[in-house]
Amino acid sequence: GAGVSQSPSNKVTEKGKDVELRCDPISGHTALYWYRQSLGQGLEFLIYFQGNSAPDKSGLPSDRFSAERTGGSVSTLTIQRTQQEDSAVYLCASSLLNRQETQYFGPGTRLLVL
Amino acid sequence: DQQVKQNSPSLSVQEGRISILNCDYTNSMFDYFLWYKKYPAEGPTFLISISSIKDKNEDGRFTVFLNKSAKHLSLHIVPSQPGDSAVYFCAASVASGTYKYIFGTGTRLKVLA
Repeated sequence: GAGVSQSPSNKVTEKGKDVELRCDPISGHTALYWYRQSLGQGLEFLIYFQGNSAPDKSGLPSDRFSAERTGGSVSTLTIQRTQQEDSAVYLCASSLLNRQETQYFGPGTRLLVL
Repeated sequence: DQQVKQNSPSLSVQEGRISILNCDYTNSMFDYFLWYKKYPAEGPTFLISISSIKDKNEDGRFTVFLNKSAKHLSLHIVPSQPGDSAVYFCAASVASGTYKYIFGTGTRLKVLA
């Protein structure tokens, strides 16, 4: 079956512009997560969705970051007024609600802010 | 402040030998640990887990050892194969069944043919 997909795979943008990153989770996975990995760092948790609601947004680094999920499926992570420190690989993962320790990751979006 | 540390950024091992990847943690409340493997241009994939009630978990060529008193876990791969070449992340959480994991920075393993 299809895994988690993300688009675009790479994004180069100029400082100050807005970007949208998309995640298509595995069909039937109610739980969805966004992470980012900056150079030399581990995966950093950003936000967790249970269905369309986000009970845990504690990892979003600033109010420039927002995410939504519609129809219990596709999720979009939006970064407004991008800064150079936002450059990272943004990873999306999904899981069954009762198997949250086993998350299936997408290939990531590599974001470069110039 | 890194709560989960993988101090070796890279490791090279000859094919057929044992690969040992190490991970240290600082939070004594962590009680569930995972290892993920990541190939280039792909997302991490779950490899093996261990709960703090155990000190060893084995799955084929992969064994994870947990030393709670030392706050240390290790992943052993034996025998190592070229296809094992990847980045390995360890992750920890305060309870099984939770979604919130703290990940290490990863160790790049290269298995030489």
